[in-house]
Parts: sequence; structure tokens; C-alpha cells
Amino acid sequence: GAGVSQSPSNKVTEKGKDVELRCDPISGHTALYWYRQSLGQGLEFLIYFQGNSAPDKSGLPSDRFSAERTGGSVSTLTIQRTQQEDSAVYLCASSAEETQYFGPGTRLLVL
Amino acid sequence: GIQVEQSPPDLILQEGANSTLRCNFSDSVNNLQWFHQNPWGQLINLFYIPSGTKQNGRLSATTVATERYSLLYISSSQTTDSGVYFCAVVTNAGNNRKLIWGLGTSLAVNP
Repeated sequence: GAGVSQSPSNKVTEKGKDVELRCDPISGHTALYWYRQSLGQGLEFLIYFQGNSAPDKSGLPSDRFSAERTGGSVSTLTIQRTQQEDSAVYLCASSAEETQYFGPGTRLLVL
Repeated sequence: GIQVEQSPPDLILQEGANSTLRCNFSDSVNNLQWFHQNPWGQLINLFYIPSGTKQNGRLSATTVATERYSLLYISSSQTTDSGVYFCAVVTNAGNNRKLIWGLGTSLAVNP
């Protein structure tokens, strides 16, 4: 595709439910990143995939968060047993070299 | 770990004015990028500039790697320049390509 796409664009869920967020990176990009941005704040790194290497999960805030990248392309970020503090915009980015290209984000609201 | 500090945190300009945004970092880097996040949340890469100077229209950036800072210049500002400007770096340590982000400069350009 022309750019990074994410779905859904908005998600409202109840506390305790699981959610899955999807990222379709730019075709051919070997690196994929997930970030979280709370209202009015900077970006918080969550996880980084690079080719077939083991992902860098150092930014995941708890074991309720997990992510996978299938076939080196599409990635899914899963949040189990959501909490209200998980409410944020979840951003995905991909890169081929050094420049990161961002998707529009998924706005998650946990009630 | 490396620290990334941006200044000023907030900036208000009249349309047509020029401005300089600064990014200081605490360790040597092999990757530095400037991003603009528009009021609708979309992040756009402005420059990949680990060293030297680049220009793109009314925007230019200079990184002095030996002194550990980068500057983003906005000339003849327009209301569409409003948003948050982020600086992000990758350290020279190992093969890590994870970006470390500053907290951003929030810019408002008034007509």
C-alpha cells in the first residue's frame, strides 16, 4: 500500500475485555514499531520487530500486552484484560532504512 | 540511557515569523529524526539528519553531532505548521535501531 495502515481507527471497550489492534506496514519494510501516546504526551516505545530477529519487547508495560508479526508483514498488538489506564492512541510505524513512517493510529478508550 | 531534551516546550508565533527549535541529546547518536505531529495526530517524518544540514522548503535542520544537539528552523511560519515537533535519536550502541523520543515542542501559529 501507499502507507502504513492501522485498524480499527477507534475502539471503545469495557474494562477487563481483550482488544486486538492491527498494523499493516509499508510493503518491503523490515522494521515495525509499536508506540503508545497518551493525551498531550510524547511517544512511549512498546515493541520493535526487525526482520526475523527476536523482537525488542523492552517497552511493553505489563504482561497483559503482547504483539506478534506474521510473515514479516502484518502485526497485531493484543491487550488482555484492559484497564482504564490503557486508554491512549496506539501508533505503528515501519521503516526500510532509518526513516520511520507512521500510521494514523488507533484511539483506544477503556470505559 | 540516552536523554533527549527539547526546547522550548511550547511556542506561540504570529504567521510569518521565524523560529528555532532545539534538541539536545546526552550521548553520541547514529540516527536523528525530526517529526511533525499535526493537530489531528498524524506523525510525519521531516528530516533524517544524524549530522550536517538539510533543507526542505521553509524548513531546515542542522545537527552538530560532536556537540550533541540539533536545530530545526521554521521560516515564514504558517498556521498549518501548528502541532508538535518531536526529535528522536538512536544511539551508537550495538545494532539497536529503537528511537528514543524527546517530549516535543508544541507550536501554535496564529493568523
